[in-house]
Amino acid sequence: EKVMTQSPATLSVSPGERVTLSCRASQSVSGSLAWYQQKPGQAPRLLIYDASTRATGIPARFSGSGSGTEFTLTVSSLQSEDFAVYFCQQYSTWPVYTFGQGTKLEIK
Amino acid sequence: QVQLVESGGGVVQPGRSLRLSCEASGFTFSTHAMHWVRQAPGKGLEWVAVITYDGNNKYYADSVKGRFTISRDNSKNTLYLQMNSLRAEDTAVYHCAKDAGDYYPHWYFDLWGRGTLVTVSS
Repeated sequence: EKVMTQSPATLSVSPGERVTLSCRASQSVSGSLAWYQQKPGQAPRLLIYDASTRATGIPARFSGSGSGTEFTLTVSSLQSEDFAVYFCQQYSTWPVYTFGQGTKLEIK
Repeated sequence: QVQLVESGGGVVQPGRSLRLSCEASGFTFSTHAMHWVRQAPGKGLEWVAVITYDGNNKYYADSVKGRFTISRDNSKNTLYLQMNSLRAEDTAVYHCAKDAGDYYPHWYFDLWGRGTLVTVSS
């Protein structure tokens, strides 16, 4: 099983700052990586798929990059609505898909 | 409105059964693979099962194989998860999720429900 590790677990940042979240795979997942945002009590929302493609309706301040085992999600200028938990998911090993443990963005 | 709404969660004793439902609306349910993903309290997400758009193929995580059964009724736009021989470690919020692919799965999820809580406890 490919293990996905996200870091850090929690990140305290101020609105307007630029932030980069990391997701590392234990083995190569090529470009088969998605990022999701989840707010308390809400359904997760797809942000990025295929490592760098923004999903429909996702603001341009969200960007994804990476391939193989190292991936990042960058938010260029944090808005108040961006404080949430972010998960990465690999989908290279059909039909077993694994998620990272999440990074919580909190207001500093 | 494009949405998925889960129901059927609750408190159940170890070894008992429960059936979850997920009602879809606002999109063509019958052309998408559908998944169940769970989230234990304070933990990350764990993929549970997938069913292809026509119901002909189903796959499960090792942790639930032989105990859980995924199914769908395209005439009712509804996805199901039959959970038997429940264990304490099955306690989680269960989300249904729509595969982003049309007919052929893309294996990531572009629409999720809020989930329904299953608590396995004596």
